[in-house]
Amino acid sequence: KQEVTQIPAALSVPEGENLVLNCSFTDSAIYNLQWFRQDPGKGLTSLLLIQSSQREQTSGRLNASLDKSSGRSTLYIAASQPGDSATYLCAVSGTNAGKSTFGDGTTLTVKP
Amino acid sequence: DTGVSQDPRHKITKRGQNVTFRCDPISEHNRLYWYRQTLGQGPEFLTYFQNEAQLEKSRLLSDRFSAERPKGSFSTLEIQRTEQGDSAMYLCASSLHIRRVSEQYFGPGTRLTVT
Repeated sequence: KQEVTQIPAALSVPEGENLVLNCSFTDSAIYNLQWFRQDPGKGLTSLLLIQSSQREQTSGRLNASLDKSSGRSTLYIAASQPGDSATYLCAVSGTNAGKSTFGDGTTLTVKP
Repeated sequence: DTGVSQDPRHKITKRGQNVTFRCDPISEHNRLYWYRQTLGQGPEFLTYFQNEAQLEKSRLLSDRFSAERPKGSFSTLEIQRTEQGDSAMYLCASSLHIRRVSEQYFGPGTRLTVT
């Protein structure tokens, strides 16, 4: 059974700081890994998707990496802004990209 | 296209009543997923469809839960004889599964409160 862990559960940083969020998973036989952002009471917004054959993806100030062999992914946020405050979730999908297993997220607060 | 939509956005019901939620995916997407999320937790997978076929169903989905996607477009999730433990956010997502890429896009969710 796939298990996804995100550490830390909460993180508070001053504006402008670069930061890294971590995601680990127990079964390396994944189809892809996706990072999401969730604002309180809202749905999930897709940030980046990394296919199992890829090592990283970049979008603006965001960079996600994937190391399947060690069961780890990181989301790097450069020059953080108060608008980045949200919960960040990672999800891995197994065979044929069906079921996705989510971590419980890291709640980020960026202080002005 | 405006993305994945869900209706209703909020539902309050009494224990024992039946409820039905609707999800409209992004129009060209062939896959549709249902998840349930409780406060402070990540979403839990319930079921997914490819076109009109239900390909996987979680053990979390008891006999009281049923989902359909009759024409491969919108989907409904029905909960019969609701219990207080069913209170949660129900999330729908869709994706275009093609050439080993299947990026999921989520709707705003339906928040269910069972009193």
